[in-house]
Amino acid sequence: AAGVIQSPRHLIKEKRETATLKCYPIPRHDTVYWYQQGPGQDPQFLISFYEKMQSDKGSIPDRFSAQQFSDYHSELNMSSLELGDSALYFCASSPGLAGIHEQYFGPGTRLTVT
Amino acid sequence: AQSVTQLDSHVSVSEGTPVLLRCNYSSSYSPSLFWYVQHPNKGLQLLLKYTSAATLVKGINGFEAEFKKSETSFHLTKPSAHMSDAAEYFCVVSEALGGSEKLVFGKGTKLTVNP
Repeated sequence: AAGVIQSPRHLIKEKRETATLKCYPIPRHDTVYWYQQGPGQDPQFLISFYEKMQSDKGSIPDRFSAQQFSDYHSELNMSSLELGDSALYFCASSPGLAGIHEQYFGPGTRLTVT
Repeated sequence: AQSVTQLDSHVSVSEGTPVLLRCNYSSSYSPSLFWYVQHPNKGLQLLLKYTSAATLVKGINGFEAEFKKSETSFHLTKPSAHMSDAAEYFCVVSEALGGSEKLVFGKGTKLTVNP
C-alpha cells in the first residue's frame, strides 16, 4: 500500500540558509499535517492543510511557511535557519472527512543546521 | 485543550514479561486516543486507536489498551515483551480542527527490553 512520502530524507544546511521540505500524502488523502520533533522530544504540531487551505496553525515560527498544492502535496519552507531548527520533521496525511481518522506518518526529514 | 500525560519516561522489562505503559488524558469531551510507536531513527507507526467504540482496543503486535473514563486513563499493555518491542511509545489525543484534527503527543515512554 502507498505510504506518505517525504523528501529529502536528510538535509544539512547552514545557519541563515533556507530549506524546503516536501510531503506527498497517501492517494485520496486531502489533509496534511506537519510536526517537528526535536532531539529527545515529542512531536509538536506545526501546521495543517485541508483541501488546500490552511486549517490550523500550531507552534510554527514566522520564519516558516507552508502550502498545499492542487495535487495535495505540501511543502514546508524554512528561512533564516537557526541551530534550534535542527529536528526531525514529520508529515502526516489523513482522509480528513468528518469523524475520526488516524494520521499516517511519513518517515520524516532529518534537518541538521550547522 | 486536550492533553495526555505519560506517567513514566522509562520502563524496563525482561523479555517474556508483561508490559504496562501508563497514560492519563485530559479532555473536555469524549476523546479520540492513540498509541504510536517510534523505533530508533524511524518514523511513527500507529499501534492502536480508541474512538468511542469498544473500551478495550486491540492493536498490532499483541498490544492492547483499555479506555477507562472514570480514571481518565488509556494504558497500553502487552502480555509478553519481545526484544523487538524496544522503542519509544507515545500516547496521543486528537484535537478537532476545522475539517481535520491535530494530534497532541505525550512526552513519550522509552521501553527497554532486557534479555
